[in-house]
Amino acid sequence: AQRVTQPEKLLSVFKGAPVELKCNYSYSGSPELFWYVQYSRQRLQLLLRHISRESIKGFTADLNKGETSFHLKKPFAQEEDSAMYYCATIQGAQKLVFGQGTRLTINP
Amino acid sequence: EPEVTQTPSHQVTQMGQEVILRCVPISNHLYFYWYRQILGQKVEFLVSFYNNEISEKSEIFDDQFSVERPDGSNFTLKIRSTKLEDSAMYFCASSTGTYPLEQYFGPGTRLTVT
Repeated sequence: AQRVTQPEKLLSVFKGAPVELKCNYSYSGSPELFWYVQYSRQRLQLLLRHISRESIKGFTADLNKGETSFHLKKPFAQEEDSAMYYCATIQGAQKLVFGQGTRLTINP
Repeated sequence: EPEVTQTPSHQVTQMGQEVILRCVPISNHLYFYWYRQILGQKVEFLVSFYNNEISEKSEIFDDQFSVERPDGSNFTLKIRSTKLEDSAMYFCASSTGTYPLEQYFGPGTRLTVT
């Protein structure tokens, strides 16, 4: 079964500092990977999908097949980035498999 | 922008009681899902539903659970005889089923079993 691992439950950085949220996956083929975000008192929403190679709210994520990673990065953190971030992959018939989640806190 | 809605936002029930959690998916979506998140744990897949039948279910989704699309808009999750360990946040999601496979989530129903 495919799995995603987010090794950090909590991450705290200062405003303006770079942010990297780690995600590693276990899958030998070509995975479909996503980052979902949940702001306080809001629903889970899609932030990024690896296939589109886009930048959303200043965040990017690159698929590294050699390291089986899909880390989420932002060069300059903002206070409104504080949220829970979940890495996820699609398995089987559109079943999302989530990592444990990382709570990101941006300190002023 | 259309959104997935869920009712109620919080449900408290006694162990052994039946509960029905309701969801209204986005209207042109064809695939529907239920996930749950026990406090402090990861979001877990329960079941996916397409064309009026279950397309996939997890080992969590045992005989105590059932899903239904009773009309053209609602999608329900029923737990027949709730246990303490069913206490969790339950999320409904829907998708078009076509690439890029994005699932849109509802705000969740917090189920507390006492």
